[in-house]
Amino acid sequence: NAGVTQTPKFRVLKTGQSMTLLCAQDMNHEYMYWYRQDPGMGLRLIHYSVGEGTTAKGEVPDGYNVSRLKKQNFLLGLESAAPSQTSVYFCASIKGTGRAYNEQFFGPGTRLTVL
Amino acid sequence: AQSVTQLGSHVSVSEGALVLLRCNYSSSVPPYLFWYVQYPNQGLQLLLKYTSAATLVKGINGFEAEFKKSETSFHLTKPSAHMSDAAEYFCAVSDYNFNKFYFGSGTKLNVKP
Repeated sequence: NAGVTQTPKFRVLKTGQSMTLLCAQDMNHEYMYWYRQDPGMGLRLIHYSVGEGTTAKGEVPDGYNVSRLKKQNFLLGLESAAPSQTSVYFCASIKGTGRAYNEQFFGPGTRLTVL
Repeated sequence: AQSVTQLGSHVSVSEGALVLLRCNYSSSVPPYLFWYVQYPNQGLQLLLKYTSAATLVKGINGFEAEFKKSETSFHLTKPSAHMSDAAEYFCAVSDYNFNKFYFGSGTKLNVKP
């Protein structure tokens, strides 16, 4: 049981390049989330998904797109990277709604630098 | 939208001393509240959560937090700090159906020998 995994762990992009970050979970969780973490700002929600085939915008969705074609995977795409997207990106998942299921499990993060 | 405020971006305590990390939330309805810990270069790990049962919540590693509705607070405490507690701590609140979680800006805890 690997939990939540993220690929890649590190990446350096040039301005204007595109890339996709992959999040995978093997816990059969319904909800998945993408966050970015910047110093002094905590975690900010980019996009989330409440089930296979669904996505929704979070607090800071501009410049990002997501897809959830399979329940276990949640992809985050940057179509044209900008230096402002330099950050550490975390994926998280929860089993479902309800008090017993609302613990978020986090991946180890992807450190992205845009030059 | 809900919000979370953590007072003090850095807190320093001596080993064996009381740890108190402050969290205040804004919410029109009783929320679900969480404390997470992040060790360097790692993801976040749940310490404890409040889900409208007991107002005093006990978590892992000897931490606990008390939900005070009148003060809209959910402060994290530990009676005696250990060197291994040095990390960054985040308070978070979720909306009622867990579509969104809102995090505070974090408090870095330093434990001095």
